[in-house]
Amino acid sequence: SYVLTQSPSVSVAPGQTATISCGGNNIGSKSVHWSQQKPGQAPVLVVYDDSDRPSGIPERFSGSNSGNTATLTISRVEAGDEADYYCHVWDSRSNHVVFGGGTKLTVL
Amino acid sequence: QVQLVESGGGVVQRGTSLRLSCAASGFTLSPYGMLWVRQAPGKGLEWVAVIWYDGSDEYYADSVKGRFTISRDNSKNTLYLQMNSLRAEDTAVYYCARGVYNNGWYPEHWGQGTLVTVSS
Repeated sequence: SYVLTQSPSVSVAPGQTATISCGGNNIGSKSVHWSQQKPGQAPVLVVYDDSDRPSGIPERFSGSNSGNTATLTISRVEAGDEADYYCHVWDSRSNHVVFGGGTKLTVL
Repeated sequence: QVQLVESGGGVVQRGTSLRLSCAASGFTLSPYGMLWVRQAPGKGLEWVAVIWYDGSDEYYADSVKGRFTISRDNSKNTLYLQMNSLRAEDTAVYYCARGVYNNGWYPEHWGQGTLVTVSS
């Protein structure tokens, strides 16, 4: 089955840029989506189709995808961005949604 | 506005059954695929099942296949998850989510979740 690998944690100071990676075999050939989950809350989609943002999501959130790595970039990080971030894809071989293990973003 | 409200969670014994519901409001369910995703305490997100907009197709995670059934009643704007032969490892918050299809499904809008606890 298809596997997505994320680093468990990333720390960044306010105002700096956070980079969260998602690794998968030839992930560049898939559409990658990112969901944010703040403590005690339901997830919220922040990036879809590699780099598009749903309405209401700040431009500070951006995504890219190439080769074996997809990346979520959060510019000018704010305290309110502290959350778990999950990448996810559709695996067409198994017809499954696959989630990465999640990355906890800590704002120092 | 778009709202998804899950219900039906609770504490049940191992081996028993439970049916979760997900009531949609602020939009019509029928044009959308729908998904269930769960999250065990302190763990990450795990996809459970997806159903096509008209119920014509459905897929399940290997961990629940043969025990869980996803269904929908578009006339009631409601999604369901029938869970049988429950195990301790099924303990989780269960989220329903509205799906979007673009070379595959992804959850676009999530409900707040309902907690299922399976006791042994």
